[in-house]
Amino acid sequence: GAVVSQHPSWVICKSGTSVKIECRSLDFQATTMFWYRQFPKQSLMLMATSNEGSKATYEQGVEKDKFLINHASLTLSTLTVTSAHPEDSSFYICRISRRLGARTEAFFGQGTRLTVV
Amino acid sequence: AQSVTQPDIHITVSEGASLELRCNYSYGATPYLFWYVQSPGQGLQLLLKYFSGDTLVQGIKGFEAEFKRSQSSFNLRKPSVHWSDAAEYFCAVGGFGNEKLTFGTGTRLTIIP
Repeated sequence: GAVVSQHPSWVICKSGTSVKIECRSLDFQATTMFWYRQFPKQSLMLMATSNEGSKATYEQGVEKDKFLINHASLTLSTLTVTSAHPEDSSFYICRISRRLGARTEAFFGQGTRLTVV
Repeated sequence: AQSVTQPDIHITVSEGASLELRCNYSYGATPYLFWYVQSPGQGLQLLLKYFSGDTLVQGIKGFEAEFKRSQSSFNLRKPSVHWSDAAEYFCAVGGFGNEKLTFGTGTRLTIIP
């Protein structure tokens, strides 16, 4: 069964509005979640690392004030795209990690297709 | 810094033919390697992963991959492809204690009858 639930799967919003994307860990507590962005026909680019109870760590070039990440609980992280613009249209995917000894397993959400018009 | 190179942007294969998707990585320590498949508009599904041990790894859907340290490669193979295998395939590398994964640019696989 699914380990990660990401919602919504797609959203269309007007330019200037904000959109919230949720990522839920269903089977275990995830202290760390990752947010990726994928432009058409490109690979996944890590945007930020979300840590429960602390501030997210953003990758270079990602605007912290534009992409707000909240990881308020061990099973939920949210990404809010604030004041969205057409260039923010993309596929956003969350990932959670689970440590099994020295190994790390990664599980991806289903992704959210954001279209800003 | 870690990196992944997938040299082939797009591959077309006839149904029933064999397949090999190339992946080369750069990582300063022992790598953990992954192959994911993504169907259009969908998230990523793990096909297989290599952590240690046997360098030939079996995955789901009949896929396998071989880790070759000397060549820094982790190529994905399938003996006979099916039309349902048409998708985008991503190779990724991580490491011990490193939860960040670095992805390759992907290889789009098209299957022709």
